[in-house]
This record gives sequence, C-alpha cells and structure tokens, in this order.
Amino acid sequence: GENVEQHPSTLSVQEGDSAVIKCTYSDSASNYFPWYKQELGKRPQLIIDIRSNVGEKKDQRIAVTLNKTAKHFSLHITETQPEDSAVYFCAAPRMDSSYKLIFGSGTRLLVRP
Amino acid sequence: DGGITQSPKYLFRKEGQNVTLSCEQNLNHDAMYWYRQDPGQGLRLIYYSQIVNDFQKGDIAEGYSVSREKKESFPLTVTSAQKNPTAFYLCASSPGVGANTEAFFGQGTRLTVV
Repeated sequence: GENVEQHPSTLSVQEGDSAVIKCTYSDSASNYFPWYKQELGKRPQLIIDIRSNVGEKKDQRIAVTLNKTAKHFSLHITETQPEDSAVYFCAAPRMDSSYKLIFGSGTRLLVRP
Repeated sequence: DGGITQSPKYLFRKEGQNVTLSCEQNLNHDAMYWYRQDPGQGLRLIYYSQIVNDFQKGDIAEGYSVSREKKESFPLTVTSAQKNPTAFYLCASSPGVGANTEAFFGQGTRLTVV
C-alpha cells in the first residue's frame, strides 16, 4: 500500500527566506499530489496540487515540484511571511480500489519576523 | 463557513460512553471521510464512504462506527471500545469517487475523555 514520508517535521525560517518541504511516496501508480495548510485550530485547506503529467506548478509564492522517477514531490515557499506559519501536509492516493488519500505526518513551519 | 460542517466543536466524554460526531455537507459530494489527528502525527483515516449506504474501514477503524444513510451526512460514533479516543477529528468530502480530487475539510471536533 501507499506510504507517504514527509520531512522535516519542523522548520524555522527568517521572514523573507525560502522554505522547502519534501515528501516521498511508495506507490509508483500515484497520480495526484496535493498540499494542505492547517493554521492553528483551523481546518486543513488545499493550497496547491500537482498531477503526474507535469513536473512543476506555481501559484504566486508557492510551487510544487514532482520527480516521478525518484517518487518524491516538494513544496517550495518563497519570500516567506509570518502568515505562512502553519502545519503543512502532503498527500498521495493509494491506487487500488480503496480510494484512500494517504497523508504525510506534517511539517510545522515557523516564520520568524 | 458553508460546505462541510462538523458539530460539536468541542466534546467531552466520560469513560465507557459512546458519543456521536456529526458531519454534514451541502457540496453534493459522493465521497466522505473521517480522519483522526493526534499531535505530531498526520491525518489517519478511520472510515470512508464512496456512496450512500456504503462505507469501508480505514487504517484505524477499531472502536469506531459510521453510517451513510443520506448523501449529505456521515456521522461517526466513538464507542467505549476505543481505548484512547482523545483527539481532534476531521471530516472531509470530495467530489466523485477516487482519491485524486481535492478533499474539503470540516472545522473539526476536539474530543476529550474526562
């Protein structure tokens, strides 16, 4: 079954610096890779996703890259701001008949002003 | 917040009691999910349902039960058989079957055993 490993578990950066969070997955058939942001006490919300037919996707200060050969995908946040502080989760689908989305363990990002 | 609603936001349970967490969505989504979130861990899948009157166990279903009598509703019962129920519970829904579409989350229910 699908395994999703996420690193690092915590990340502290200075405001304005870049942050990178990496996830690896095990099921080579996986074809959809979302990233969710969860602010303290709130629900996770999708911030960006990528499908297996592209290698990179950008949306303003955030980007996701996908390396299907190595089975890893990464979230890149540039010019970080204090409001980027949150827990970020990656996910990948289990590609059997179970239709499960498997989440990574989360990365707590702290942006220091 | 519209879309998917969980209630209550906070819930206290005495040991040995069953409690039911509510999840309702007005997004016309076929699939609904229940996740458990513990500190320092990711979201672990308890149960999921792809369609009305059908549901499947997730990775940590022991001590939990669900029903899917209506498309809009997917309540979760935490039974006395769940030995460590204190956690944050998140309900989610997604359009259609398949795990390759966006999941929309409710605001969560924090359950505490007292």
